[in-house]
Amino acid sequence: AQSVTQPDIHITVSEGASLELRCNYSYGATPYLFWYVQSPGQGLQLLLKYFSGDTLVQGIKGFEAEFKRSQSSFNLRKPSVHWSDAAEYFCAVGLKEYGNKLVFGAGTILRVKS
Amino acid sequence: DGGITQSPKYLFRKEGQNVTLSCEQNLNHDAMYWYRQDPGQGLRLIYYSQIVNDFQKGDIAEGYSVSREKKESFPLTVTSAQKNPTAFYLCASENTGELFFGEGSRLTVL
Repeated sequence: AQSVTQPDIHITVSEGASLELRCNYSYGATPYLFWYVQSPGQGLQLLLKYFSGDTLVQGIKGFEAEFKRSQSSFNLRKPSVHWSDAAEYFCAVGLKEYGNKLVFGAGTILRVKS
Repeated sequence: DGGITQSPKYLFRKEGQNVTLSCEQNLNHDAMYWYRQDPGQGLRLIYYSQIVNDFQKGDIAEGYSVSREKKESFPLTVTSAQKNPTAFYLCASENTGELFFGEGSRLTVL
């Protein structure tokens, strides 16, 4: 079955430190890959997406993610975290063959300490 | 502005009552989705519709119903058959694989 794993439920980083959020998926084919961010009580906002081409993807708010086919991973990174980045982050995976339906990971809650 | 509008933002209901959550979009997208969000479980797909007058069950459709009579609207009814309806509900439309979300509706059953 299709699955998306975000191994870290919570992550705490200091403001100004670098960040990496992990995402692994189990699909045979190369899927569409997304990272979304959610502030408490709000909807989800797209940070970045990968469909094909360059495996290093730039997104909004200074985030980037790298698709590694050999590791079935799509990790999210930011070189210097700001207090406003505190939120919950979701990795999502979709396949055109499944009608573009997305499967979401359980989410990682990011806390930023000053 | 273009987007997804969900209402109400907060809703309380008594056990045994049906409740309908509204979702409207002006993005001219064909596909629309309903997700349920519970803490620590990510988003789980309830129903989706890829075109007007057609919809399919997602992974957790039991106790829910939908309709898609207009392209712009995809209301979700939480019926009394849903055993644990207290949750945060998110509606989305889709274009070329990317989802666009509303602000969500929080349903609490008293």
